[in-house]
Amino acid sequence: DAGVIQSPRHEVTEMGQEVTLRCKPISGHNSLFWYRQTMMRGLELLIYFNNNVPIDDSGMPEDRFSAKMPNASFSTLKIQPSEPRDSAVYFCASSLNNGETQYFGPGTRLLVL
Amino acid sequence: GDSVTQMEGPVTLSEEAFLTINCTYTATGYPSLFWYVQYPGEGLQLLLKATKADDKGSNKGFEATYRKETTSFHLEKGSVQVSDSAVYFCALSDPDLDKLTFGKGTLLTVNP
Repeated sequence: DAGVIQSPRHEVTEMGQEVTLRCKPISGHNSLFWYRQTMMRGLELLIYFNNNVPIDDSGMPEDRFSAKMPNASFSTLKIQPSEPRDSAVYFCASSLNNGETQYFGPGTRLLVL
Repeated sequence: GDSVTQMEGPVTLSEEAFLTINCTYTATGYPSLFWYVQYPGEGLQLLLKATKADDKGSNKGFEATYRKETTSFHLEKGSVQVSDSAVYFCALSDPDLDKLTFGKGTLLTVNP
């Protein structure tokens, strides 16, 4: 199994630009999670989906952030417009069922200049 | 709400030393408990887990026992190696909630 796949692995962009992060969960998993990790705030859950439906987006920082899961094998996290304080590592994770072991992708390291 | 408290790092040990990283939790239900490890530049990966009281999770020489009476899940290893240097996260999963609650992580550095 290829595991959770994220792209890109690294992204450098300028303030104000749109950023789209992508995630392919493990086949057969029905829950998908987006996290953000920074030195200051640690690991934060942004949003999670179950069977492609957003269940809890209370961790999304503000309206500049949006996430979609159009099908069981693909999800995006979009930031528009991006700001320097969005610089972080963004992880996607998937699990077979809610509350079960989560499998993390390698992360996307985002730098907004 | 649910919460996880783990000892703050960083923790620095010499090779072959004994490791303990404390973790306590607060939960309203009967959670499953996890330890995840994050090696430099990588995502988190499951190290071990326990799903009910008195269960012991173990993997790669690491152990943790689910203690309901003390609401704890301390991570231990008898003899650490340089390759164990990483950030360790304690987490819980409450069956009534649909997500994991993570601690803040503990950075472990093992010197030769």
